[in-house]
Amino acid sequence: KNEVEQSPQNLTAQEGEFITINCSYSVGISALHWLQQHPGGGIVSLFMLSSGKKKHGRLIATINIQEKHSSLHITASHPRDSAVYICAVGSNYKLTFGKGTLLTVNP
Amino acid sequence: EAEVAQSPRYKITEKSQAVAFWCDPISGHATLYWYRQILGQGPELLVQFQDESVVDDSQLPKDRFSAERLKGVDSTLKIQPAELGDSAMYLCASSLNWADTQYFGPGTRLTVL
Repeated sequence: KNEVEQSPQNLTAQEGEFITINCSYSVGISALHWLQQHPGGGIVSLFMLSSGKKKHGRLIATINIQEKHSSLHITASHPRDSAVYICAVGSNYKLTFGKGTLLTVNP
Repeated sequence: EAEVAQSPRYKITEKSQAVAFWCDPISGHATLYWYRQILGQGPELLVQFQDESVVDDSQLPKDRFSAERLKGVDSTLKIQPAELGDSAMYLCASSLNWADTQYFGPGTRLTVL
């Protein structure tokens, strides 16, 4: 079974700061997903990646397959980025989720 | 833009009653997932369908939970009888195939009294 660990569990930042959220997994995967969940809101898929790096606006996701590690970066953070960020890894036709990182960006 | 539909959005029931949730995935999506999310935790996969077949239901409490996707399109998740510990958000998601981007529905918030 794949174990997915996210760090930190909670993160508080000031507006404008550079944010990094990490995800490590134990077993080889076919793809890694980063998801965003706003308080009381639904879940939105941010990225799906199997190698290298992807960028969308102020969000950047990277993955190192050899080290079984991925990072989600947010540049110039804003209060509207406050949400839970969830890492999920796919292998053997299944997705395994991390417990999420609660990000709070203060103005 | 196509969305995953779920109903009802909210459900309050008493323990020992039966409840059912419905999900209509994005058209053409072969893979459908049911998740349970307890407040403050990440989603937990309950059951995964590939078309009408169950791929994974290892975390589904089969003594009380059942799920079906008879024609490989929409799906129903049932709980009978409901227990207090079943109070949670039940999320449905779909994807073109199992490794593709998942699209989540708005969820059904279940409260068992």
